[in-house]
Amino acid sequence: QVQLQESGPGLVKPSETLSLTCTVSGGSISSYYWSWIRQPPGKGLEWIGYIYYSGNTNYTPSLKSRVTISVDTSKNQFSLKLTSVTAADTAVFYCARVQSYYDMSGPHEFFDYWGQGILVTVSS
Amino acid sequence: SSELTQDPAVSVALGRTVRITCQGDGVRTYYASWYQQKPGQAPVLLIYDKNNRPSGIPDRFSGSTSGNTASLTITGAQAEDEADYYCHSRDSSGDHLLFGGGTKLTVL
Repeated sequence: QVQLQESGPGLVKPSETLSLTCTVSGGSISSYYWSWIRQPPGKGLEWIGYIYYSGNTNYTPSLKSRVTISVDTSKNQFSLKLTSVTAADTAVFYCARVQSYYDMSGPHEFFDYWGQGILVTVSS
Repeated sequence: SSELTQDPAVSVALGRTVRITCQGDGVRTYYASWYQQKPGQAPVLLIYDKNNRPSGIPDRFSGSTSGNTASLTITGAQAEDEADYYCHSRDSSGDHLLFGGGTKLTVL
């Protein structure tokens, strides 16, 4: 059974960089896409971006200038960095595995495994 | 549209059938997937590839798509189905992933 676990500081000061790591256990990080998703308190889910195990990335346009997602296959981990944070970045951050493939019926894509989430508060 | 639109709130009587919809251009090309989220918990995959259920998901949950609208149907809603439901697909360009705004389901 694949398990994902987010880790990192729960409190970040405004204008600083938010850094989180997702550790994957029970399976290899290879051959999959891995994603970060956030959820501000009381609000909906927002996709942040994903990385393929080989390093290819895709970010949501609204955060692209501030986001970097990286992968460390030797540690079975991938990470998120979000720069210049403000209070609006306060959220629960989830990491998730993305199933993404094409077949004769077209493209297929869904999030099949999720971490439990980590609350990150931006405050001085 | 680059968005996925869901009704913010829906209610259903216990044991009745309810449909939750998700409208957006991306649904025409990319199968929608559906997630259930209960308070304080991570989302759980309910439906993928339009109408496939992961192991352990009850068969009262089903999915369908027509044009630019994906639907999640709960046939015989149970009290434990009270939760937030999110759809996922891509934006109209196909370049970026999206979630719908979510639907809060109340079981009466």
